[in-house]
Amino acid sequence: EAGVAQSPRYKIIEKRQSVAFWCNPISGHATLYWYQQILGQGPKLLIQFQNNGVVDDSQLPKDRFSAERLKGVDSTLKIQPAKLEDSAVYLCASVGTGDTDEKLFFGSGTQLSVL
Amino acid sequence: EDQVTQSPEALRLQEGESSSLNCSYTVSGLRGLFWYRQDPGKGPEFLFTLYSAGEEKEKERLKATLTKKESFLHITAPKPEDSATYLCACERGTYKYIFGTGTRLKVLA
Repeated sequence: EAGVAQSPRYKIIEKRQSVAFWCNPISGHATLYWYQQILGQGPKLLIQFQNNGVVDDSQLPKDRFSAERLKGVDSTLKIQPAKLEDSAVYLCASVGTGDTDEKLFFGSGTQLSVL
Repeated sequence: EDQVTQSPEALRLQEGESSSLNCSYTVSGLRGLFWYRQDPGKGPEFLFTLYSAGEEKEKERLKATLTKKESFLHITAPKPEDSATYLCACERGTYKYIFGTGTRLKVLA
């Protein structure tokens, strides 16, 4: 089966610019996550969707970050305006309802550098 | 507050030198504990899920164990290709995960 697709793989922007990331989860996976992984740290949840509804966005910096999952399939994460501390890898993950292991499937991530 | 702590932060082993990675957790309502492997430039890849104290799972040179407070990932006779970052995650509600900071493992030939 096809994995979680993310684009772009790399992005370099100046601070105060805007940037958007795209994710297409595994077909049929209702739950989708965006994680931020700063170098040397574990993934930190930004937002969790169940179909096209938000389940948890408590750690999303809503003054600059936004995310949507229209039609309950692919998703976009946007940062506007970007700050230096937003430099990180942004990982998208999905999980299949009814999967016995309830394991996450991750994309390869988007590496963002804010200069 | 729910917390997942991994140790050591980094580990260098000679090829064939067995060792263990630790994941300590304080999570209310633990539903499952997961181990993932992450290679540079890639997303984490699933290794194991453990559900109850005393459970063990094995895959090639890796063996994961679980107690009520911690999990260990034992690596027996590692090879250079085992070099990666190993992440521990706890599921604290249905599909709600909290990750540790990871252990960076380097196996030298």
